[in-house]
Amino acid sequence: DSGVTQTPKHLITATGQRVTLRCSPRSGDLSVYWYQQSLDQGLQFLIQYYNGEERAKGNILERFSAQQFPDLHSELNLSSLELGDSALYFCASSVGVTGELFFGEGSRLTVL
Amino acid sequence: AQSVTQLDSQVPVFEEAPVELRCNYSSSVSVYLFWYVQYPNQGLQLLLKYLSGSTLVKGINGFEAEFNKSQTSFHLRKPSVHISDTAEYFCAVSESSGDKLTFGTGTRLAVRP
Repeated sequence: DSGVTQTPKHLITATGQRVTLRCSPRSGDLSVYWYQQSLDQGLQFLIQYYNGEERAKGNILERFSAQQFPDLHSELNLSSLELGDSALYFCASSVGVTGELFFGEGSRLTVL
Repeated sequence: AQSVTQLDSQVPVFEEAPVELRCNYSSSVSVYLFWYVQYPNQGLQLLLKYLSGSTLVKGINGFEAEFNKSQTSFHLRKPSVHISDTAEYFCAVSESSGDKLTFGTGTRLAVRP
């Protein structure tokens, strides 16, 4: 158990819909990261928050947005969903700047 | 920007045989290097990491990796694999000035009896 909690574990929705994925980091970790894992793209970094502020942005689509709340949990919002958004979305957290991340078990999104 | 190349997408090996999973990285600055393992239907788990110091790093489950700066490599090795080592292995790099991890495409280790 990494200490990072993600909900929901599985989500099935239709094209055009909007979903929210939630992540609770390890106790004490200030950084939260979102990654997307798909068969064709591999593990892609989406976005990082540090203590409530956006710190780094990767290959995140404009239809996607995220935020980190004062209690340090984070939410990833995916809107106008397309079939190609079907993937496993991972949240990870870290305490410092060495790049050692602790991953949740992921949220599997299926868009039909 | 940093990048990671894992040359082998799949490595089949017999149980109790040695294995090496290859990883090369590219970066213009100092880096930290990591190997993560992903078992089926699970998240990623840290196997080992190189931050500084000794270039030979030992991790969990009997794995080790060697940092070679001149060859920009960080290959993962295990002298004797078990069926339970069957999983996807990811090499990752972060620049020492930041903490964003860039992952390779992964190597699927398939251990056969």
